[in-house]
Amino acid sequence: SAVISQKPSRDICQRGTSLTIQCQVDSQVTMMFWYRQQPGQSLTLIATANQGSEATYESGFVIDKFPISRPNLTFSTLTVSNLSPEDSSIYLCSARAGAGRERNEQFFGPGTRLTVL
Amino acid sequence: AQTVTQSQPEMSVQEAETVTLSCTYDTSENNYYLFWYKQPPSRQMILVIRQEAYKQQNATENRFSVNFQKAAKSFSLKISDSQLGDTAMYFCAFYTGTASKLTFGTGTRLQVTL
Repeated sequence: SAVISQKPSRDICQRGTSLTIQCQVDSQVTMMFWYRQQPGQSLTLIATANQGSEATYESGFVIDKFPISRPNLTFSTLTVSNLSPEDSSIYLCSARAGAGRERNEQFFGPGTRLTVL
Repeated sequence: AQTVTQSQPEMSVQEAETVTLSCTYDTSENNYYLFWYKQPPSRQMILVIRQEAYKQQNATENRFSVNFQKAAKSFSLKISDSQLGDTAMYFCAFYTGTASKLTFGTGTRLQVTL
């Protein structure tokens, strides 16, 4: 299984600023995803990070608010822009190998807890 | 659109006992995959078990097993010999190649007590 790390693990930010979250996978993966999870709630998919092209956003999420980069097959960043208290949440990076026995299994990073004051 | 329903928001089980978590789903697809994920207080999502829809045999991983009823679109998780470390949120999830993304249920919070 892929091992995924995220930085930072948590942060407290001021309203109006931005936070960039980094996601690193220990092996090359075909697909990477970003999720948001409110405490005690389920996961909501923000977007699929596509290598070498623009991310694919889910309904309700836009590129201006959540710009995503994916420069190679092991790394992605999510920026949460123009922060408001409503953005306080846990953000999780996820990856799917896309090949081999585990090709349909999806693995998750430890999450980044964001608090906006 | 696919939907996943977990009708038990919270459950409790005593250590060493067996507990079953329910999950139902709705889809028009014939080929898909089902998963159970565990999220302990550390919030790390851990894949517990997977089931391919084309396999009739129920998946088993040590103390974890599933009861997959394709016709009823049901996918329950049974935890045997429950341990304190099983305390976590459990999410049922559904995946198809068509949608190419996971759909999660709302989760069941499991508390294992002494």
